[in-house]
Amino acid sequence: GAVVSQHPSRVICKSGTSVKIECRSLDFQATTMFWYRQFPKQSLMLMATSNEGSKATYEQGVEKDKFLINHASLTLSTLTVTSAHPEDSSFYICSASDRSRLEQYFGPGTRLTVT
Amino acid sequence: AQSVSQHNHHVILSEAASLELGCNYSYGGTVNLFWYVQYPGQHLQLLLKYFSGDPLVKGIKGFEAEFIKSKFSFNLRKPSVQWSDTAEYFCAAAGGGSQGNLIFGKGTKLSVKP
Repeated sequence: GAVVSQHPSRVICKSGTSVKIECRSLDFQATTMFWYRQFPKQSLMLMATSNEGSKATYEQGVEKDKFLINHASLTLSTLTVTSAHPEDSSFYICSASDRSRLEQYFGPGTRLTVT
Repeated sequence: AQSVSQHNHHVILSEAASLELGCNYSYGGTVNLFWYVQYPGQHLQLLLKYFSGDPLVKGIKGFEAEFIKSKFSFNLRKPSVQWSDTAEYFCAAAGGGSQGNLIFGKGTKLSVKP
């Protein structure tokens, strides 16, 4: 099956710094990638959708200037959390789908802790 | 508004017991439905999906789900659970035609006692 990786798996950063999370599709071309946020004991909340070569589409309430998404190639999307604050601490999960968009393949997630 | 509801937050069963996890959706138009599983420390995996056709869908690891349009439900079932089924289960929905943006339920934690 299709494999999606995320790096890093966990990161701790200081308040005010920026953190970049990478999402890669390893064995297929991901024309669309999705970024989710999961709070403890809660569901996944879609943050944004990105199509390769286009600007990301953000969900209502998600600050696009804070959560920068780049999808420059068919195998890589990055999420940069800028000027991180403790309330940004969460589990960030990406998923990817190919041109058919019939299924999303999920990455293992990145645990971000902002101190 | 589009939404997915999972009624059980935490289900505890003994091995060999039967499982049914409820999922109801609110979605205008054609809907595609999914069940995902997240084992401890692992990423989300697709258990099964329904796009159209036979409303009884069989997935991996002995799981099945039934789409009942009149009840807006897509409940997950397994006749006999194992300890290894201990995980978090998420129901999700997306607009028909393409997977598009998934809307997830809050998840149900299943604990199976050996």
